[in-house]
Amino acid sequence: AQSVTQLDSQVPVFEEAPVELRCNYSSSVSVYLFWYVQYPNQGLQLLLKYLSGSTLVKGINGFEAEFNKSQTSFHLRKPSVHISDTAEYFCAVRAARGTGFQKLVFGTGTRLLVSP
Amino acid sequence: DAMVIQNPRYQVTQFGKPVTLSCSQTLNHNVMYWYQQKSSQAPKLLFHYYDKDFNNEADTPDNFQSRRPNTSFCFLDIRSPGLGDAAMYLCATSRAGTGFALPTDTQYFGPGTRLTVL
Repeated sequence: AQSVTQLDSQVPVFEEAPVELRCNYSSSVSVYLFWYVQYPNQGLQLLLKYLSGSTLVKGINGFEAEFNKSQTSFHLRKPSVHISDTAEYFCAVRAARGTGFQKLVFGTGTRLLVSP
Repeated sequence: DAMVIQNPRYQVTQFGKPVTLSCSQTLNHNVMYWYQQKSSQAPKLLFHYYDKDFNNEADTPDNFQSRRPNTSFCFLDIRSPGLGDAAMYLCATSRAGTGFALPTDTQYFGPGTRLTVL
């Protein structure tokens, strides 16, 4: 089984500052990793995903994440945030192989609060 | 060019009054999911359809049922909503192969339906 830990429930940051949202996972098998963003009263939007290959993954809205297998981490970064980035961010993991259905396991989310 | 559509966006029902939420998709994906998300929590998978095959999560209450009449549509029925069922309900879809999970098996979510139970 897989599990995801997002240590920071809330991250306050000033506009134009850099930000890192942390995600650590646990799994006995290879995994695919995802970051989703959820704006208030909306569904989840896929920001980026790691499937294989380059460990640095670039996504939408200027976000990127780096897969670190030895640290079992997949931290999300943005060099300069905007007010509009204020949202809830969910890290998720799924087994890369297996017979049958592979469940997407979510972390508890990190609320990014960007202020002027 | 909406891909996963949920109706209505906001639903108010009374305690014990059956309610149906709908989801449709234009992606022609073979898997459709229903999640429940309570305030400040992660989405919780209720069940999913793999084509016409219904797969219930072990801890999903019997009060929650689902129907998938065709590839494009999926419904969530709550037979007797309780106050604890007030939540955001998210529909998602993905394209999955048989046996091994495909790299393309990424879930795409709809905008959600916020259910209020009075």
